[in-house]
Amino acid sequence: DADVTQTPRNRITKTGKRIMLECSQTKGHDRMYWYRQDPGLGLRLIYYSFDVKDINKGEISDGYSVSRQAQAKFSLSLESAIPNQTALYFCATSDHRSSSYNEQFFGPGTRLTVL
Amino acid sequence: QQPVQSPQAVILREGEDAVINCSSSKALYSVHWYRQKHGEAPVFLMILLKGGEQKGHEKISASFNEKKQQSSLYLTASQLSYSGTYFCGTEFRTYGKLTFGQGTILTVHP
Repeated sequence: DADVTQTPRNRITKTGKRIMLECSQTKGHDRMYWYRQDPGLGLRLIYYSFDVKDINKGEISDGYSVSRQAQAKFSLSLESAIPNQTALYFCATSDHRSSSYNEQFFGPGTRLTVL
Repeated sequence: QQPVQSPQAVILREGEDAVINCSSSKALYSVHWYRQKHGEAPVFLMILLKGGEQKGHEKISASFNEKKQQSSLYLTASQLSYSGTYFCGTEFRTYGKLTFGQGTILTVHP
């Protein structure tokens, strides 16, 4: 099945460390997104990319950076992790080229803990 | 601006109905609905577009009031499998960027 995968699924790190979360998809979708989920706050958009050369900041991009290495790969980096970046991170994709509906398909999530 | 969902939580018995609402202070292009079960990723349920188009699961129904910038998700004859957190996501223009509400926790008991 065409899918969205995230690695690692769980990560514990220390304050100040650089961390990269990776997202890959075999759906052939052009758009990819990174969200952060905290209890009671819903899903908040960190960065999004509509194609390899188009990357945009979301509502909470400070402290994060991204790289779209290929249409199928979108990585999220925390340059210097801090404890309040402890959260569940989701990657999502959508297909704008063949659908006007933009429904999003989520990966399984990465649980990140910063000590 | 983040859309506002109500209620924050609802508890049902199997077979009962529920309505979850999503309100925005800005004019909307579309409203999406997703369900997230505990420990899992959100899953797409339905999208409603300005102008009346919609796409979603046949067992889920929803409405979109463009004048009030509100959407409602209708869960009828609830089943245990309906339990989870429901999120609405709003899109202001055809940018493909969603802003999600804080979620509504639905619990269905036998």
